[in-house]
Amino acid sequence: AQTVTQSQPEMSVQEAETVTLSCTYDTSESDYYLFWYKQPPSRQMILVIRQEAYKQQNATENRFSVNFQKAAKSFSLKISDSQLGDAAMYFCAYIRGGTSYGKLTFGQGTILTVHP
Amino acid sequence: EAEVAQSPRYKITEKSQAVAFWCDPISGHATLYWYRQILGQGPELLVQFQDESVVDDSQLPKDRFSAERLKGVDSTLKIQPAELGDSAMYLCASSLAGGFYEQYFGPGTRLTVT
Repeated sequence: AQTVTQSQPEMSVQEAETVTLSCTYDTSESDYYLFWYKQPPSRQMILVIRQEAYKQQNATENRFSVNFQKAAKSFSLKISDSQLGDAAMYFCAYIRGGTSYGKLTFGQGTILTVHP
Repeated sequence: EAEVAQSPRYKITEKSQAVAFWCDPISGHATLYWYRQILGQGPELLVQFQDESVVDDSQLPKDRFSAERLKGVDSTLKIQPAELGDSAMYLCASSLAGGFYEQYFGPGTRLTVT
């Protein structure tokens, strides 16, 4: 079974600084997708960024980028120029590719606090 | 912007009572998911629908939980009877199709069982 591990229960960063959230996963599949989701307090979860396992290039979305190390099964999220609105719980998630019925498996989450 | 709607947002119920949650996905989304999220943890899939058919309910406690999506649009998740351990956030999500398509989440229903 696939597992996703986030070893940092909490992280904090100063506004305008950079922070990296860690995630490791375990799978025997070669075709899969990885995601970072953001869940702000009392608001719905939204997708931050997605990475296809077959792509070597790391995904970027504005201030958000990932460091995808396929051999190490590591998928970290870097937030640059942190803003107060980035404060949230962040979840790393995995889904098997090649099927419409794959199950999204989430990590335990990392609470990010942004200090002004 | 289209959103996934859920109601109620909060529900307090006594142990052994029945409770139901409703979800209206984004129009045109064929796939609908129900997740349970215990405080401080990541969501866990309870059931996945493709149109009106269940494609994965392996983690649904079928002795007390049921889910339906009769016309392939909105969906209802029911718990009967509720137990103390069912206290959690119940999230609904939808996507254009299953697999790697982006899942759009609703605001969730916070259930407290007393």
